[in-house]
Amino acid sequence: DTAVSQTPKYLVTQMGNDKSIKCEQNLGHDTMYWYKQDSKKFLKIMFSYNNKELIINETVPNRFSPKSPDKAHLNLHINSLELGDSAVYFCASTSQPGQGYMTGANVLTFGAGSRLTVL
Amino acid sequence: QQQVKQSPQSLIVQKGGISIINCAYENTAFDYFPWYQQFPGKGPALLIAIRPDVSEKKEGRFTISFNKSAKQFSLHIMDSQPGDSATYFCAASPSGTYKYIFGTGTRLKVLA
Repeated sequence: DTAVSQTPKYLVTQMGNDKSIKCEQNLGHDTMYWYKQDSKKFLKIMFSYNNKELIINETVPNRFSPKSPDKAHLNLHINSLELGDSAVYFCASTSQPGQGYMTGANVLTFGAGSRLTVL
Repeated sequence: QQQVKQSPQSLIVQKGGISIINCAYENTAFDYFPWYQQFPGKGPALLIAIRPDVSEKKEGRFTISFNKSAKQFSLHIMDSQPGDSATYFCAASPSGTYKYIFGTGTRLKVLA
């Protein structure tokens, strides 16, 4: 029943390793996102895909590589992990740009987050 | 210009009181202003949203006040309850885009 599901929920790894986080949504949305939330709770957009096409690519190190095999899935692969990559990574999805009223389509729906700890 | 400034960083309110969180922006291309609520260990969830063609929107105990000329908007939580204790984020989205820019968050604690 979970609308946006992320795996794994927790990830602890050593510096220099490569890891992936997976996201799936069953809402029928066309657009998916990755957000990073740091220790101060600041939410920063990283990437967005619309129907498997990259539409938003913020200033993110190229060690981060998103992939969208279909519009229901968006994965995030991180190479050569660094201490500063420790954060909670949230996947989100929506079907329409924000329109100022709440319908099922234009609500930005978040997953529960994946907490990455780099030692 | 892509920033949304949010204050205060943290807020403690007595049960039954009014919680007020403020946000300001500079980019006039923003035309959608949602508020999100995040409980510990959970993802943010949409609480209420407004477009700049209205000055106020109310849903239950939650009200957004919007001042287009000042480029400011605020969330008012009436009759605050301990269950409202969470982190609140304002956000803004430029017209017709899928980009959502979040404020820095406000940690609200409502004392019983």
